[in-house]
Amino acid sequence: DSGVTQTPKHLITATGQRVTLRCSPRSGDLSVYWYQQSLDQGLQFLIQYYNGEERAKGNILERFSAQQFPDLHSELNLSSLELGDSALYFCASSVEPDREQYFGPGTRLTVT
Amino acid sequence: LAKTTQPISMDSYEGQEVNITCSHNNIATNDYITWYQQFPSQGPRFIIQGYKTKVTNEVASLFIPADRKSSTLSLPRVSLSDTAVYYCLVLDSNYQLIWGAGTKLIIKP
Repeated sequence: DSGVTQTPKHLITATGQRVTLRCSPRSGDLSVYWYQQSLDQGLQFLIQYYNGEERAKGNILERFSAQQFPDLHSELNLSSLELGDSALYFCASSVEPDREQYFGPGTRLTVT
Repeated sequence: LAKTTQPISMDSYEGQEVNITCSHNNIATNDYITWYQQFPSQGPRFIIQGYKTKVTNEVASLFIPADRKSSTLSLPRVSLSDTAVYYCLVLDSNYQLIWGAGTKLIIKP
């Protein structure tokens, strides 16, 4: 158990819908990262927050947005969902930016 | 923009030492190189992190040459449970996280 929690574990929704994925980092970690992993593919870095502020942006679509709240939990919002958005979405946290990341169990999103 | 290159797959046998190399250019000069292990349907797990020369922990060693254009993860005496995908992670000069495409390691009995 990495100490990072993600909810929900599974999500099934229809095209065009909007969903919110939630992540609670390990206690004491200030940095949160979001990743997308499609079936049998590598990790795609989406976005990183540090202590509430956006620190780095990767290949995040305009339909996706995220934020980190004062209590350090983070949410990833996915809107106008498409079939191709079906993937595992991982959240990770680290004590400082760019130190070792601890990953949550992921949210498996299926868009039908 | 930094780019990483790893072998797509490797095979080895139980008890052998396995070395996986990641080539990376244009990485940040003062940041870490990190390796992760991932099993199917699980989040990646941190293995080892280093900045230069050699780092060793209880599960692996990491070798980084002086020019930092590559890094080699060394797994001593692998077992079947080491079958997984291994990723290198570097930071480029714009603070972008650059993950390797992953090396699928298969350990045979």
